[in-house]
Amino acid sequence: RKEVEQDPGPFNVPEGATVAFNCTYSNSASQSFFWYRQDCRKEPKLLMSVYSSGNEDGRFTAQLNRASQYISLLIRDSKLSDSATYLCVVNINTGRRALTFGSGTRLQVQP
Amino acid sequence: NAGVMQNPRHLVRRRGQEARLRCSPMKGHSHVYWYRQLPEEGLKFMVYLQKENIIDESGMPKERFSAEFPKEGPSILRIQQVVRGDSAAYFCASSELAWETQYFGPGTRLLVL
Repeated sequence: RKEVEQDPGPFNVPEGATVAFNCTYSNSASQSFFWYRQDCRKEPKLLMSVYSSGNEDGRFTAQLNRASQYISLLIRDSKLSDSATYLCVVNINTGRRALTFGSGTRLQVQP
Repeated sequence: NAGVMQNPRHLVRRRGQEARLRCSPMKGHSHVYWYRQLPEEGLKFMVYLQKENIIDESGMPKERFSAEFPKEGPSILRIQQVVRGDSAAYFCASSELAWETQYFGPGTRLLVL
């Protein structure tokens, strides 16, 4: 079983739609959680950290459910510029200080 | 404040040659991480370094790969005797403190002919 699992997509949605991505992680010792965004042939860029209480940044809302080991990202009012691959990222605290990446979910927002 | 710098951005090598990839962390960051992304796959951790020390190299292939982060100068990821399977994007990230948010460089795309 992969340490971080995501639906690869692609998700094809029209502009203005609301879209939700899910991610599960296998290691209950995981400490920190993030969503990164990666455009084609570019580096990953931090979109937002994910906290147990849930957090919102403009059109983006992230949720964490530690009991179910589940992370979500909700994008409201999708823009064309949101088209990218969204990476679920977990920092597993077993002494390693590195990030474990999911394979990503591809989003294509269409006009 | 310049971000994480990597060079070269593109590198072409023939099988058996050596590849040297350089990474300069963000100013004030002393933690450097290298990741590899194979085509159509997610990023995989390779190695974590602090100045002059390798902290965790659990993701590094046992042979041909090495990394360093000297007291002065950039971090270097070195691949000896490259093979076609080494073709990938190699990303470097840095953070100010361990466990802090990691910021990524633009990557080096290695192509082995």
